[in-house]
Amino acid sequence: EPEVTQTPSHQVTQMGQEVILRCVPISNHLYFYWYRQILGQKVEFLVSFYNNEISEKSEIFDDQFSVERPDGSNFTLKIRSTKLEDSAMYFCASSGITSSYEQYFGPGTRLTVT
Amino acid sequence: KNEVEQSPQNLTAQEGEFITINCSYSVGISALHWLQQHPGGGIVSLFMLSSGKKKHGRLIATINIQEKHSSLHITASHPRDSAVYICAVRRGGGSNYKLTFGKGTLLTVNP
Repeated sequence: EPEVTQTPSHQVTQMGQEVILRCVPISNHLYFYWYRQILGQKVEFLVSFYNNEISEKSEIFDDQFSVERPDGSNFTLKIRSTKLEDSAMYFCASSGITSSYEQYFGPGTRLTVT
Repeated sequence: KNEVEQSPQNLTAQEGEFITINCSYSVGISALHWLQQHPGGGIVSLFMLSSGKKKHGRLIATINIQEKHSSLHITASHPRDSAVYICAVRRGGGSNYKLTFGKGTLLTVNP
């Protein structure tokens, strides 16, 4: 069964450093999402992406964040200058017509900013 | 006020018991997801539904659009069902199908 994959599974970085979180969505999906979950809190929407552009972004997704689909298979989330409060689990998801737009989630990347 | 409310927040059951987790939402939706998350782990989609009822194995999900309410039932619960169960609603259409999540229900099933 096709699945969404994410790398790395765990990333530790120092405050102020740039990080790139990578996702490979399911191959025939066209809609892509990033969500995050701070420890002990609910999952929050960050950004949605379709047709090579952002469809919607939340208040959390400020100028420090960017997304890209560089090569037609990967979908990346970049945080330019990490803050302590960026420490969270980041989930990528994808959906498409073939799944009736049901979202399939990756296993997550745990980002720890020290 | 949260757009998606779940109850209970925590639920402890004995193996074999019938479990019900409730979800209420305050906005118009196009679909509702039930998701499962194991501690420290990823999110697995259990159901997506927009009307009626769906069943998969021991899991049953129902939704009442008029009442803005959904329930997830687990029959003959087992310790491996222990996880956080999350309700999430999809409001959008067109090019955006983002989800809004509830806080989750932590289910512990004891042997």
